[in-house]
Amino acid sequence: AQSVSQHNHHVILSEAASLELGCNYSYGGTVNLFWYVQYPGQHLQLLLKYFSGDPLVKGIKGFEAEFIKSKFSFNLRKPSVQWSDTAEYFCAVNEGGYQKVTFGTGTKLQVIP
Amino acid sequence: ETGVTQTPRHLVMGMTNKKSLKCEQHLGHNAMYWYKQSAKKPLELMFVYNFKEQTENNSVPSRFSPECPNSSHLFLHLHTLQPEDSALYLCASSQDTAGDTEAFFGQGTRLTVV
Repeated sequence: AQSVSQHNHHVILSEAASLELGCNYSYGGTVNLFWYVQYPGQHLQLLLKYFSGDPLVKGIKGFEAEFIKSKFSFNLRKPSVQWSDTAEYFCAVNEGGYQKVTFGTGTKLQVIP
Repeated sequence: ETGVTQTPRHLVMGMTNKKSLKCEQHLGHNAMYWYKQSAKKPLELMFVYNFKEQTENNSVPSRFSPECPNSSHLFLHLHTLQPEDSALYLCASSQDTAGDTEAFFGQGTRLTVV
């Protein structure tokens, strides 16, 4: 069965620090990859997604993620975080062709002013 | 506001009670989903409906009974739940069930079973 690993469960950064959150998945075939974000008290919302093409994907609010097929990874990055980025971040994967998404356990990011 | 509305936002129920969770989407989507979000566990897909037909039941116990009367509404009927069923239940919708479709989530119903 498909699995998604987010190794960082809780990350604390100061404002302006760089961010990289890891995501690894287990499926070896065609995949669609997502990062969702949940701000405190709000709903889950899409941050960015990869389906095909350029493996470096740009999302909202300055986030980007890089799909590295050989490493089964889709890490999320941001060069300089802000206090407003404090949220929980979820990596999600589906096995191309059907919307049966497997989510990771999430990473809580706390940005200190 | 995502266009996906869940009610109630919070629910406390006893193990012998029967209650229902409601989800409504105003996005014109054809697919709707129920997810369970427990502490320190990945989001678990429970059910998928596409054009009102259930296309996925992810081995969910029968004490959870979904209903999809139309493409805009989705219910989750609950009866004789257990304390371990306490969790955040999220509804989502998407245009269809193709793999490259973005899901839009509601804010969830926080369920506590006592």
